[in-house]
Amino acid sequence: QQPVQSPQAVILREGEDAVINCSSSKALYSVHWYRQKHGEAPVFLMILLKGGEQKGHEKISASFNEKKQQSSLYLTASQLSYSGTYFCGTVYNNNDMRFGAGTRLTVKP
Amino acid sequence: DTGVSQNPRHKITKRGQNVTFRCDPISEHNRLYWYRQTLGQGPEFLTYFQNEAQLEKSRLLSDRFSAERPKGSFSTLEIQRTEQGDSAMYLCASSNDRGNSPLHFGNGTRLTVT
Repeated sequence: QQPVQSPQAVILREGEDAVINCSSSKALYSVHWYRQKHGEAPVFLMILLKGGEQKGHEKISASFNEKKQQSSLYLTASQLSYSGTYFCGTVYNNNDMRFGAGTRLTVKP
Repeated sequence: DTGVSQNPRHKITKRGQNVTFRCDPISEHNRLYWYRQTLGQGPEFLTYFQNEAQLEKSRLLSDRFSAERPKGSFSTLEIQRTEQGDSAMYLCASSNDRGNSPLHFGNGTRLTVT
């Protein structure tokens, strides 16, 4: 039930854009996105419900393709503060949440 | 909102010993989750509660792991006869009773088994 994230790692320069993908083999109730900085707990970014596209945080937005059971996180004009590991969390049938292995994002000056 | 609190922050134990961790969720949250995270990996689901009821437990969890939430407030996670492979960060999170509610994580308990 664990979702699959890609890519595993991304290195950007400040101001560049990135896309992180999350896919599931099962029908999803919702998709959550979290960011975790080194040594800290994961912090909530946004939730995608079925068919929803939502802008929730700084210049970060996400989409949810219900047919493909996929979600993508879009980071535009990246800032140094965007560095961290991004996790998608998938919820099935309004129950527990499972996390992907994460995408490590590094933004360099 | 005082956030999710976990104790202790760090625990070092010898192989074979039992350990217990505590999690105090955000007071109005009725869902409570336990995850385990190792370096470079995402949080791995262990179990979750809705109020005092334990609704799901990971099949990966051996019988040495047990969790309780006796009054629907704080929760404890016990590991019996610890093994070196149990070394990890144990994260607790809480949320409201809706699938579109975000999880609020505590800072975790880092367990080291020597």
